[in-house]
Amino acid sequence: GESVGLHLPTLSVQEGDNSIINCAYSNSASDYFIWYKQESGKGPQFIIDIRSNMDKRQGQRVTVLLNKTVKHLSLQIAATQPGDSAVYFCAENQAFNQGGKLIFGQGTELSVKP
Amino acid sequence: DAEITQSPRHKITETGRQVTLACHQTWNHNNMFWYRQDLGHGLRLIHYSYGVQDTNKGEVSDGYSVSRSNTEDLPLTLESAASSQTSVYFCASSPGGFEETQYFGPGTRLLVL
Repeated sequence: GESVGLHLPTLSVQEGDNSIINCAYSNSASDYFIWYKQESGKGPQFIIDIRSNMDKRQGQRVTVLLNKTVKHLSLQIAATQPGDSAVYFCAENQAFNQGGKLIFGQGTELSVKP
Repeated sequence: DAEITQSPRHKITETGRQVTLACHQTWNHNNMFWYRQDLGHGLRLIHYSYGVQDTNKGEVSDGYSVSRSNTEDLPLTLESAASSQTSVYFCASSPGGFEETQYFGPGTRLLVL
């Protein structure tokens, strides 16, 4: 079946550096993508989303890039802080065909070194 | 503030017992979802609901059931708990329609002995 996956299971960065977390999706019909952050012992927390009619969207210190040609999604975190340490999940959705169901990737663990 | 809550946060039960996990949201969201999270498997969808009296099976629904009698609640029942159902369970909700973002509860950690 089609699925969402991540290139790197773990990522270690120095505090203050920029982080890039990657995600590959296989379903070309997916038209909505979300990044979630999950801290230890907590539920996934919404970070940012993007629809397929966009290729870039910016939030506070975060940017999501979407490359539909190669079916690739990335999350960029600027000036990474220790509080950014968490597992990051990408999720995809086919809004009108899947009725709001999300397909989640396996997650990337981000570790920020002080 | 509107929120989504789960109870209990931690539960220990024995094999064969019936267990019900509660999920309550105050956003008036139409859609509600139950996931389990296990190492190596990420988040897997158990059951979901698009509104009152509507329930649907997800990819790992065997051994689980849900009911939706009102907008706010979607309890998850393990009919006869098995050790393979030891996991962390997350409830989520979304407004429905064009708004597909799901908002998650804090999770319930279940141990089946």
